[in-house]
Amino acid sequence: NAGVTQTPKFQVLKTGQSMTLQCAQDMNHNSMYWYRQDPGMGLRLIYYSASEGTTDKGEVPNGYNVSRLNKREFSLRLESAAPSQTSVYFCASSEAVVGYGYTFGSGTRLTVV
Amino acid sequence: AQSVTQLGSHVSVSEGALVLLRCNYSSSVPPYLFWYVQYPNQGLQLLLKYTSAATLVKGINGFEAEFKKSETSFHLTKPSAHMRDAAEYFCAVTGGSSYKLIFGSGTRLLVRP
Repeated sequence: NAGVTQTPKFQVLKTGQSMTLQCAQDMNHNSMYWYRQDPGMGLRLIYYSASEGTTDKGEVPNGYNVSRLNKREFSLRLESAAPSQTSVYFCASSEAVVGYGYTFGSGTRLTVV
Repeated sequence: AQSVTQLGSHVSVSEGALVLLRCNYSSSVPPYLFWYVQYPNQGLQLLLKYTSAATLVKGINGFEAEFKKSETSFHLTKPSAHMRDAAEYFCAVTGGSSYKLIFGSGTRLLVRP
């Protein structure tokens, strides 16, 4: 039971570098999400994908892009990393059903120096 | 719009004492409510959820929560804290036509020996 798998688990970037965070789920869920978690600020939604082929902005989309590659995979790209993007990033998936709840990955800890 | 407020960013209890973590919600539609737990360096795991069935919901690891509509609350309790309960706890709400979860800012539980 892999659930939601995120790679990499840790990453250090220099300001201005780019990278892609990968997320894959094996539960055949329709919806996928990217959150960032910062101390004292809880979880903030960056982007989500209600179903394969669709993506929408969340609360804090600036500086990020996403791709819903297929039903299983949803990637998050930082085109030009900034220190303000230092955070822990979580991917989650769910059925597009009210009250279903999310399954989370174990996170990617990103440091931008 | 929906929102969640978790009172107390940090709660400290002695091992064996009652755990009470507070969550108040705001929702113009009947809510679905969730509690998630995040152990250090891990993703979020579902503890329990309220989906309009019984108002007292039992979850994993001995936790339970009671939905009180009149108080717009969904507080999480456990009769006797264990050291392994030390973690961060998040309350979340959804409802109406939206299946996206709105998270509170989290409460970190410290359990003293």
